[in-house]
Amino acid sequence: SQQGEEDPQALSIQEGENATMNCSYKTSINNLQWYRQNSGRGLVHLILIRSNEREKHSGRLRVTLDTSKKSSSLLITASRAADTASYFCATPLIQGAQKLVFGQGTRLTINP
Amino acid sequence: DAGVTQSPTHLIKTRGQHVTLRCSPISGHKSVSWYQQVLGQGPQFIFQYYEKEERGRGNFPDRFSARQFPNYSSELNVNALLLGDSALYLCASSPTSGITDTQYFGPGTRLTVL
Repeated sequence: SQQGEEDPQALSIQEGENATMNCSYKTSINNLQWYRQNSGRGLVHLILIRSNEREKHSGRLRVTLDTSKKSSSLLITASRAADTASYFCATPLIQGAQKLVFGQGTRLTINP
Repeated sequence: DAGVTQSPTHLIKTRGQHVTLRCSPISGHKSVSWYQQVLGQGPQFIFQYYEKEERGRGNFPDRFSARQFPNYSSELNVNALLLGDSALYLCASSPTSGITDTQYFGPGTRLTVL
């Protein structure tokens, strides 16, 4: 089973609307990261939120973290066509073999 | 400053062959990690190297190996290629040794095994 899982798997909205993606994870974490990937290219780091933070902003991005529910959300406000991409949450496995575990991603399509 | 670079961009091999993928990290970054991303899935961790030592290994067979050079560049080698090895191979670098810290990704090498 996945350490991190995004929901929904796909999301299609109109330009200017807000997009919300969710991520759930299973084990304790020290941080949670969100990445964007455009059409099969490399991933771009968007934001890192630490386990003692509840909310973080970066431009039009807002990330929340609820460690009691083991979940996070990424909100993109006033979406643009250029936001069309896949979005992944990444959670660290810090027990045993340490590694960064990615979910399957949310494929976001912004329609003009 | 240049980002993470990977070569080649695309590669086509046949089953049973061997492949070497290369990665140059961001200047000053001493950690390099490799990920495999199968179409429609998220990246899966293969290896991390820091200061030329292996720091982490994912759940991949021994056909996968890697090394890091004194200039912190890295190679990923895959022997006895299988059809299932077809994927986008991503390299990521980081200034710290923590595999769970922010990773800076290259554009990837698209490997197709026929």
